[in-house]
Amino acid sequence: SQQGEEDPQALSIQEGENATMNCSYKTSINNLQWYRQNSGRGLVHLILIRSNEREKHSGRLRVTLDTSKKSSSLLITASRAADTASYFCKAGSQGNLIFGKGTKLSVKP
Amino acid sequence: EAGVAQSPRYKIIEKRQSVAFWCNPISGHATLYWYQQILGQGPKLLIQFQNNGVVDDSQLPKDRFSAERLKGVDSTLKIQPAKLEDSAVYLCASSLRGGGNEKLFFGSGTQLSVL
Repeated sequence: SQQGEEDPQALSIQEGENATMNCSYKTSINNLQWYRQNSGRGLVHLILIRSNEREKHSGRLRVTLDTSKKSSSLLITASRAADTASYFCKAGSQGNLIFGKGTKLSVKP
Repeated sequence: EAGVAQSPRYKIIEKRQSVAFWCNPISGHATLYWYQQILGQGPKLLIQFQNNGVVDDSQLPKDRFSAERLKGVDSTLKIQPAKLEDSAVYLCASSLRGGGNEKLFFGSGTQLSVL
């Protein structure tokens, strides 16, 4: 399976703290995508990192990719209550449309 | 740019009844996807259309689920008859070309409760 699997399943932090979640996948990829899902809503694309990139930033988001370990991490700095959501990764490769179970992040004010 | 539109937002039916969901993808997006998301799980792909042709429907329970994409634009997903285990959020997504490398754009979903 080319599925991305997120870890941990759940994460609870205080506002202002950093949140780190990880993703592992099994086969070669062209890119790795991260999505956010607020409760009762659809998934929203956050960031895409290509297989030849090691790190990418977007606002308070920092994504790293280690293709040798087939893993990626998503760091949200200075978290806010509005960051409370589920986060999913998806391995970007031909024909792969599979999502994992996600990491449920809870940011307490 | 308008996003992916889905309706209805919520639907409550009794088992053995039928239900239909509608999706309008982003204009110009060739590929449309229907996902089923059961509470606490990730989205599961049901069917993928490229224009008005089916690319992958291997996970679609064809004895009760059907989907079509008229003229390669709007799509409807139907369940007949519904079972209790069909209670889930049904998400529609679209992408420019398809294939797995692109980012997907999702609608807000239809939350189905089967009683």
